[in-house]
Amino acid sequence: AQSVTQLGSHVSVSEGALVLLRCNYSSSVPPYLFWYVQYPNQGLQLLLKYTSAATLVKGINGFEAEFKKSETSFHLTKPSAHMSDAAEYFCAVISSGGSYIPTFGRGTSLIVHP
Amino acid sequence: KAGVTQTPRYLIKTRGQQVTLSCSPISGHRSVSWYQQTPGQGLQFLFEYFSETQRNKGNFPGRFSGRQFSNSRSEMNVSTLELGDSALYLCASSSSWTDTQYFGPGTRLTVL
Repeated sequence: AQSVTQLGSHVSVSEGALVLLRCNYSSSVPPYLFWYVQYPNQGLQLLLKYTSAATLVKGINGFEAEFKKSETSFHLTKPSAHMSDAAEYFCAVISSGGSYIPTFGRGTSLIVHP
Repeated sequence: KAGVTQTPRYLIKTRGQQVTLSCSPISGHRSVSWYQQTPGQGLQFLFEYFSETQRNKGNFPGRFSGRQFSNSRSEMNVSTLELGDSALYLCASSSSWTDTQYFGPGTRLTVL
């Protein structure tokens, strides 16, 4: 079975500050890991994905995430927050040895203060 | 390329009715997946179709069904609607299951 835990339903940062959104997963086989962003009244947009290549994955809009197998984590970071980063962020896992059904975290709402 | 389109964008139904939602994937994409998003349950996978065949199915009752046509367009049907079916229904397409999924804007279904 696979699962995803996103710590913190809301994260608040000041503009220009570091963004850190946490994601821990459980999977009995090597996973595929994803981060998505959702703006109000829109669908999800892929930020980045890990598919067993480099452990540090760079995505769009300056975001990156590091796969740490020992910690079963895939935290999302951005060095400097921008007002336009305010959105809902979802971490997702697909177990490579299973039926490829994705499991999503409950989401983290990023709030950016001026 | 045009993105994933979903119709209608908004829908209001009453309990007991049925509803059909439509999804047109990105040209060339043969995999179409459906998701339900609610504040209480978050994002949940409904099912995935590839070349007109359902390959994967989530844990939803049989009232939820879907199909895919030869042009890869997909429809999702919910019969005997319940209040709890009120949700944003998202469709996503990709060229294969582990490739990047591109999401549509969703259909907001309200059941009264």
